[in-house]
Amino acid sequence: AQTVTQSQPEMSVQEAETVTLSCTYDTSESNYYLFWYKQPPSRQMILVIRQEAYKQQNATENRFSVNFQKAAKSFSLKISDSQLGDTAMYFCAFMGWGAQKLVFGQGTRLTINP
Amino acid sequence: DTEVTQTPKHLVMGMTNKKSLKCEQHMGHRAMYWYKQKAKKPPELMFVYSYEKLSINESVPSRFSPECPNSSLLNLHLHALQPEDSALYLCASRFQAGAADTQYFGPGTRLTVL
Repeated sequence: AQTVTQSQPEMSVQEAETVTLSCTYDTSESNYYLFWYKQPPSRQMILVIRQEAYKQQNATENRFSVNFQKAAKSFSLKISDSQLGDTAMYFCAFMGWGAQKLVFGQGTRLTINP
Repeated sequence: DTEVTQTPKHLVMGMTNKKSLKCEQHMGHRAMYWYKQKAKKPPELMFVYSYEKLSINESVPSRFSPECPNSSLLNLHLHALQPEDSALYLCASRFQAGAADTQYFGPGTRLTVL
């Protein structure tokens, strides 16, 4: 069974700083998807970024980028120029190719301070 | 457009009540999901409907009864719930096109069982 581990339960940075959230996963599959979801206090789960495992290029979405290391089974999220609105719980998630289920990590609570 | 809507936003019910949660998407997605989320925890999968048929039931108690009347609508019928069922209930729909495969979440229903 796949597992996802987020080793940082909480993080706190100052506005405009860069922050990196860690995620490691365990799988025997070669094709799969990885996701970062953001859940602000308003509680809506919002997709931040997606990575297909067959793609070597790291995904980017504006200030959000990932460092995908397939051999190391690592999928970290970098937030550049952090903003107050980035304050949220961040979940890393794995889904096997053709699977129906998302496997979530336990989450990292990120606080951006003014 | 990746909008999933859920009603109601909040629901308070007694243990003898019968109520229903509703989820809608008009994106043509053919798979829809119910998740339960406790505070500071990742979502837990409850049910998956694929092409309007129940494809995954994660051994959820029978007091939760899902229904998928059509490809755009997913209901969760609640009856004789327990206080420990109080949680955020999230609906998601799944976008699949070529190599892209992503779940998009609704804003959730905050359920309190008294």
